[in-house]
Amino acid sequence: EIVLTQSPGTLSLSPGERATLSCRASQSLRGNSLAWYQHKSGQAPRLLIFGASNRATGIPDRFSGSASGTDFTLTISRLEPEDFVVYYCQQYVASPISFGQGTRLEI
Amino acid sequence: QVQLVESGGGVVQPGRSLRLSCAASGFTFSSYGMHWVRQAPGRELEWVAVISHDGHTAYYADSVKGRFTISRDNSKNTLYLQINSLRDEDTAVFHCAKEISPLAGAWYFDLWGRGTVVTVSS
Repeated sequence: EIVLTQSPGTLSLSPGERATLSCRASQSLRGNSLAWYQHKSGQAPRLLIFGASNRATGIPDRFSGSASGTDFTLTISRLEPEDFVVYYCQQYVASPISFGQGTRLEI
Repeated sequence: QVQLVESGGGVVQPGRSLRLSCAASGFTFSSYGMHWVRQAPGRELEWVAVISHDGHTAYYADSVKGRFTISRDNSKNTLYLQINSLRDEDTAVFHCAKEISPLAGAWYFDLWGRGTVVTVSS
């Protein structure tokens, strides 16, 4: 099973600042088969990025993703108040698909 | 409106059974593979099961194999998860999720439900 390790566990920033969230895979993800989701407690998770760097439909361009080997990054360029929730990465190159443990973005 | 709405959760004693449902609307349900993903309190999201668009193929996480059964009724636009022999560690929010691509798509999800809460407690 592919293990995804997200860091940091919690990130404390202010609105308007830039956030950098990391996700490291335990092995190579062929085709950069990694997605990022935003999850507000009690709501449905929201797809932000797929294929490591492709924004999903309707996602603002302040969200971007990148990859370097087994290291993946989600960047939020200018934080809005509604961005302070939890973010998960997910690999879909191999079954079972797996998720990281999440990064909580807090003010 | 494009949405998934789960139901069927509740408080259940260990060893009992439960059937969760996921009602889909706003898209051609029969064209998409569908999944169940759960989140135990304080834990990360955990993939549970997948069923193909036509219901002919299903796969499970090792942790639930033999106890969980995923199924679908395309005439009712509904996904199901039958959970037998419930254990304490099954306590979680169960989400259903839709694959982004029709027919044989990649296993990531552009639509999720809010989830239904299953609590296993004596």
